[in-house]
Amino acid sequence: GAVVSQHPSWVICKSGTSVKIECRSLDFQATTMFWYRQFPKQSLMLMATSNEGSKATYEQGVEKDKFLINHASLTLSTLTVTSAHPEDSSFYICSARASGLAGAGEQFFGPGTRLTVL
Amino acid sequence: QKEVEQNSGPLSVPEGAIASLNCTYSDRVSQSFFWYRQYSGKSPELIMSIYSNGDKEDGRFTAQLNKASQYVSLLIRDSQPSDSATYLCAVKGAGNMLTFGGGTRLMVKP
Repeated sequence: GAVVSQHPSWVICKSGTSVKIECRSLDFQATTMFWYRQFPKQSLMLMATSNEGSKATYEQGVEKDKFLINHASLTLSTLTVTSAHPEDSSFYICSARASGLAGAGEQFFGPGTRLTVL
Repeated sequence: QKEVEQNSGPLSVPEGAIASLNCTYSDRVSQSFFWYRQYSGKSPELIMSIYSNGDKEDGRFTAQLNKASQYVSLLIRDSQPSDSATYLCAVKGAGNMLTFGGGTRLMVKP
């Protein structure tokens, strides 16, 4: 159980284009999903917290107009990188926190999406 | 000061030895503690969670928690080369958010 998928797993795009990344919880409902970014040899950096049916909460320094997050259902959140530039090239990872289950809110990570902007 | 601190390593241990990974945290009201393993180029994978003081064992892994000292550790017995990865300590505080440490890179040499 507690499987999170991401699509696509990798994407290469031209500078100026937009890229949409999907994050799905496959076997549980997730009222909260998180989007992280990780540059090579660096730690995870939380970008935003996404709550189903409401606006995402962005971390300081993350442009909400550039990184659009939609969490329209309990199993799907999307991150759209708008007008991508080479400096946006990174490993984007989502995680989901299960709702309604026993435990203390473990987060389960998707496999990540590697974005390369040329 | 970082909220969750880990030595970045690399921590190098020979195959078969015990690897000891340490983590300290600053938020005294933290209640839940997690260890994630991240292989290079992959996303983190939850391997252990611990909520109360003491030891929790799962196979070759033992998590140890000392809330008074604000310290949590992960022991890996009989280390294998396949254990070579970055280990992330994560702490859930009062705000219900997970805060990650910077990770410790473990290298197990055959």
